[in-house]
Amino acid sequence: AQKITQTQPGMFVQEKEAVTLDCTYDTSDPSYGLFWYKQPSSGEMIFLIYQGSYDQQNATEGRYSLNFQKARKSANLVISASQLGDSAMYFCAMREGEGGNNRLAFGKGNQVVVIP
Amino acid sequence: DAGVIQSPRHEVTEMGQEVTLRCKPISGHDYLFWYRQTMMRGLELLIYFNNNVPIDDSGMPEDRFSAKMPNASFSTLKIQPSEPRDSAVYFCASSDNNEQFFGPGTRLTVL
Repeated sequence: AQKITQTQPGMFVQEKEAVTLDCTYDTSDPSYGLFWYKQPSSGEMIFLIYQGSYDQQNATEGRYSLNFQKARKSANLVISASQLGDSAMYFCAMREGEGGNNRLAFGKGNQVVVIP
Repeated sequence: DAGVIQSPRHEVTEMGQEVTLRCKPISGHDYLFWYRQTMMRGLELLIYFNNNVPIDDSGMPEDRFSAKMPNASFSTLKIQPSEPRDSAVYFCASSDNNEQFFGPGTRLTVL
């Protein structure tokens, strides 16, 4: 069964506007971690933000914030004040279990194109 | 720190040849991961190591694939013999806690 679901089609967003990327997950483990990665056209995978299942606050890192709704099993990424350099594929991932290093399950990704 | 280093960045080979991909993790990281990315299957974990010991190799597609980590600063992923369907981008990542840091990837093309 698919553990991470990212179903949005490719998105165009106007520069300086905010964009929300949807991610839903499936797990029965009470302890898990959620991650977002960015993959620009150059191909590298860049870590953006992390949310632990027991974290009370939504994670934020600069212009990135994670809208964590545990009951709905969603972990949407919000990018504020979009920049042209934000054009990329964005991947949501989940780690199940304690500790930092069990396997990550990745979603299929969301394509974002920022237009001037 | 230089980050995770992978070599080569690009590899083109012919079907049946042996291919060896190399990875140097970030110094001090205890965990090393090998991933494969294709359009059809997305990003898949192949194998991961903890303190140089393979922990989970359930993602390795078949016996043609093997991975080693002889020391804390070096790992290899070998495909022998290679097939056209192995064409993909292979990523190495390392971690010491939560987030995994990825290398730039090796783009493999098997003709």
